[in-house]
Amino acid sequence: EIVMTQSPATLSVSPGERVTLSCRASQSVSINLAWYRQTPGQAPSLLIYGASTRATGIPPRFSGSGSGTDFTLTISSLQSEDFAVYYCQQYNNWPSMFTFGQGTKLEIK
Amino acid sequence: VQLVESGGGLVQPGGSLRLSCAASGITFSSYWMHWVRQAPGKGLVWVSRINSDGTNTIYADSVKGRFTISRDNAKNTLLLQMNSLRAEDTAIYYCARESTSSLAFDIWGQGTTVTVSS
Repeated sequence: EIVMTQSPATLSVSPGERVTLSCRASQSVSINLAWYRQTPGQAPSLLIYGASTRATGIPPRFSGSGSGTDFTLTISSLQSEDFAVYYCQQYNNWPSMFTFGQGTKLEIK
Repeated sequence: VQLVESGGGLVQPGGSLRLSCAASGITFSSYWMHWVRQAPGKGLVWVSRINSDGTNTIYADSVKGRFTISRDNAKNTLLLQMNSLRAEDTAIYYCARESTSSLAFDIWGQGTTVTVSS
């Protein structure tokens, strides 16, 4: 089973700041990696797929990079709605398993 | 485009529950579908997947043999039959659509809450 590890668990940042979240896979997942955002009380929503492609309607302040085992999600200028929990997910051994990371919470400093 | 889950509730350990996910605004029969759960205060955990015509299913080890995913394409509905429920199955259960192009989960329902407790 592929294990996805996100860091840090929590990040305290100010609105307008730039932030980078990390996700590491226990073995290569190529670019079969997605990022989701979950605001309190809401369902997750897709931000990035294929490691770096923004989903429909996602603003350009979100960017993803990486391949293999190391991935990052960068938010260039934090807006109020970005204070949420972010999850990475691998789907490299599709159609078998779809492992999520444990999440990174962005909180207001 | 909408997915709406229902069927959650309070059930005793060892009991059963059936969750539904009603799809609207999409060609439901064209998509592979998933169930994902989230225990209180915890992260997302993938549960199960079914292919577009319902002939192929897979499960997380934690639910294998107890949960059954199925679908009724005529009714645009995804189902999850949950048997032999345990306290650790307590969670919000989300249905999600797998994108045909990206393989990521591009549409999610709002979730239905399952509580397993005596």
